[in-house]
Amino acid sequence: KAGVTQTPRYLIKTRGQQVTLSCSPISGHRSVSWYQQTPGQGLQFLFEYFSETQRNKGNFPGRFSGRQFSNSRSEMNVSTLELGDSALYLCASSLVQGGNNEQFFGPGTRLTVL
Amino acid sequence: GENVEQHPSTLSVQEGDSAVIKCTYSDSASNYFPWYKQELGKRPQLIIDIRSNVGEKKDQRIAVTLNKTAKHFSLHITETQPEDSAVYFCAASDGGSYIPTFGRGTSLIVHP
Repeated sequence: KAGVTQTPRYLIKTRGQQVTLSCSPISGHRSVSWYQQTPGQGLQFLFEYFSETQRNKGNFPGRFSGRQFSNSRSEMNVSTLELGDSALYLCASSLVQGGNNEQFFGPGTRLTVL
Repeated sequence: GENVEQHPSTLSVQEGDSAVIKCTYSDSASNYFPWYKQELGKRPQLIIDIRSNVGEKKDQRIAVTLNKTAKHFSLHITETQPEDSAVYFCAASDGGSYIPTFGRGTSLIVHP
């Protein structure tokens, strides 16, 4: 079975721009969660989508949004980028709701905001 | 919301020694406690998890213990090997919101 994939793997943007990241879950997995990983804050939960509906949201501003398609693929969008948004963005998929079950992580997208 | 504290932030051991990483959580409603291993430049991978109806779980050299009363859980690695060197993250999720809260991570270094 193919693992979780994320595109692109690396992105460089400037402040004020917006960015869209993509995540393809393991086939059959219906839940996709997004995390921000930084050296100072560790892994922080952004949101989770299950069957095209946002089920949970972490403590991030409204500039961070996402969606899930009928094939369970998910996208995450960050608008009006700030320097502090530089991080590794990880998505994770699971068969059912993610927070209470094993999650399979993708390789991440490294976002650098200049 | 949930708060997870993880200690130590860095742990250095000799090959063959045991390593213990401890996490405390604040929300008594939390009922799922996974541990993830992240090698340098790689994605986090689940190594073991425990639910609140179990006090201990073991998988070969790895074990996790849970003390619900004290609200802490620990990862135990015995007979450490250089390939155990990685960052280990604990997490706690409650059964209501299913939002996982991660600890800040422990960098384990196993010296040959």
